[in-house]
This record gives sequence, C-alpha cells and structure tokens, in this order.
Amino acid sequence: GAVVSQHPSRVICKSGTSVKIECRSLDFQATTMFWYRQFPKQSLMLMATSNEGSKATYEQGVEKDKFLINHASLTLSTLTVTSAHPEDSSFYICSARESSGGPSDTQYFGPGTRLTVL
Amino acid sequence: AQKITQTQPGMFVQEKEAVTLDCTYDTSDPSYGLFWYKQPSSGEMIFLIYQGSYDQQNATEGRYSLNFQKARKSANLVISASQLGDSAMYFCAMRGISGGYNKLIFGAGTRLAVHP
Repeated sequence: GAVVSQHPSRVICKSGTSVKIECRSLDFQATTMFWYRQFPKQSLMLMATSNEGSKATYEQGVEKDKFLINHASLTLSTLTVTSAHPEDSSFYICSARESSGGPSDTQYFGPGTRLTVL
Repeated sequence: AQKITQTQPGMFVQEKEAVTLDCTYDTSDPSYGLFWYKQPSSGEMIFLIYQGSYDQQNATEGRYSLNFQKARKSANLVISASQLGDSAMYFCAMRGISGGYNKLIFGAGTRLAVHP
C-alpha cells in the first residue's frame, strides 16, 4: 500500500513554544490530507481537511489560529501547533488520500506524532 | 449526521479461533463506504478492508471479512484464525456522499487481545 511519513515521531516542548509536524505522501500525490488528534484510549478525532493550494477546512471546535495547516504541495502538509500548552499534548496523526472522489478512496495514515508539552 | 458505534470496548479470543468485532452505523446518505483499520500499540493506522454501500457481496481480504447487513446498518469485521499479532485496537470508519466522500468518521474502537 501507499506510504505516508510523519516527522517527528515524538516531540517534547516547553509551554508557549510552537511545534511543526510534517506529513508526506511518499509514493503518490495526495490531493487531500487530513489531520487527526487522538487522546489516550480514545478514537481519532478529525481536526481539519486540507487540499493542496487552498485553505484548510477546520472541524467545529478546532482553533484555526492555534493549529495552522499548510498544504503546500501534493506530497506535503504541515501542522503547526502555535503557543503550545500542556492540554495540547496528544497523538497527532496525518492521513493522505489519492483521490478519485469516490467512497472507496483509501486513506493512508502516517505513523503519528506524540506531542508532549511541559 | 453520520455516526459509527462500536459497542465492544474489549474482546478476547483464543489463538487460531475466529472473532467478530461489531460495528453499526447511522447515515441518511444513499452512498457511503465503510472501512476497518487496525491500530497496534505503535500507533500506526493500518487499512484492513473496505465495503461499499452498493456492493452486493461481502468484502474479503485474506483472513478478514466484512459481514455487511445493509438493512440493519451493520458492518461487522470477522477475523478468522486469529494470530497473536492481531492483538490491537480496531476501528470501524465511514465516509458518505453528504461529506463529499471526504470525512472519514471513526467509531470508538475495540481492543482485541489474542491469547495463546
């Protein structure tokens, strides 16, 4: 199957700093990328959907100014957690889709980034 | 609104036995797709199987099969001949036409433990 990479896999930062997470589709062009957040022992919650070259669409309750998403190319999307606080500590997972626009498009997931804010 | 329900927080199965993980969904979309993903302790989401709402036959992928009952809105995952490596979290997910087939909505997940 297709490969999606995520970097870094783990990051620890101080409160108030910003953290950037990269998501790359390695062997296909991803017209759409997604960012999810997962708390321990919980399901994945969609944060935002990004299409290459356009602004991301955020889910209700997700702060746009806090979670900056850039989808600069068909193979790269970045999530920047600005002014991180301990409550932002979570497992962030990106996903990419080689879209034909139908229901069967498989979404491939990155390995995730564990963010710990001290 | 679309919703996925997985009522089994945890399941146990003996190695080499079959196990069924339940998933029910709620949608008013006439066209939708259903997915199952496996998440081992490493955290990576691994795609297992897909079922389209108009598919006449149940999907199968190796040891995985999907028991799709459209009228009951259920899409249970059956794992045959369980292996120790099957121990993981399993998520049922859905994508519908009302969201432009964009949003993949996940259930709460079922943790499967395979015992030797």
